Amino acid sequence: AQSVAQPEDQVNVAEGNPLTVKCTYSVSGNPYLFWYVQYPNRGLQFLLKYITGDNLVKGSYGFEAEFNKSQTSFHLKKPSALVSDSALYFCAVRPSGYSTLTFGKGTMLLVSP
Amino acid sequence: EADIYQTPRYLVIGTGKKITLECSQTMGHDKMYWYQQDPGMELHLIHYSYGVNSTEKGDLSSESTVSRIRTEHFPLTLESARPSHTSQYLCASSVRLAGEGNIQYFGAGTRLSVL
Repeated sequence: AQSVAQPEDQVNVAEGNPLTVKCTYSVSGNPYLFWYVQYPNRGLQFLLKYITGDNLVKGSYGFEAEFNKSQTSFHLKKPSALVSDSALYFCAVRPSGYSTLTFGKGTMLLVSP
Repeated sequence: EADIYQTPRYLVIGTGKKITLECSQTMGHDKMYWYQQDPGMELHLIHYSYGVNSTEKGDLSSESTVSRIRTEHFPLTLESARPSHTSQYLCASSVRLAGEGNIQYFGAGTRLSVL
């Protein structure tokens, strides 16, 4: 069975500084990896995905993520954080050939002015 | 924003009531999903459907039931609500497109409180 670990419940960063939200995964076969963001009282919004190809993928709102197969990681990054980036971030994985996702427990990102 | 709609957004009901949470999508997606999420917590898949007349239970056991009579509609029903059902329910849909990874798009959710 597949699993996702987001080791940090909360990440604090000052506006303008780079941010990283960590994610590691376990899956049989080739992974399809996703990042979603959730603002208060809203559903999840898709940010970016890794299917195949370049290990660095770019997504919405200036976010990017780096796939590292040897470390089974898919960390979310942004060069310069904004206060408006404060939200709950979820990493998710699904094995190739399946449709259902397995989500991590989420990481709250707080960006201070 | 994806074209997937959930109603009601908020619902407060008494124990023992029957409720139906509505989910509709206008994207023609064949796959639909229901997740349960406690506030600020991880999502747990409770039901999914690969198409009309197809429904499956998810990873988290749930007393709710679902139906998929039309492609665009995937309602979730609780026959007798209990306080333990208090949670947020998120609906999602997806379609398999080559190279797209079967991205799931989410509705805004229904926050249910059972008194």
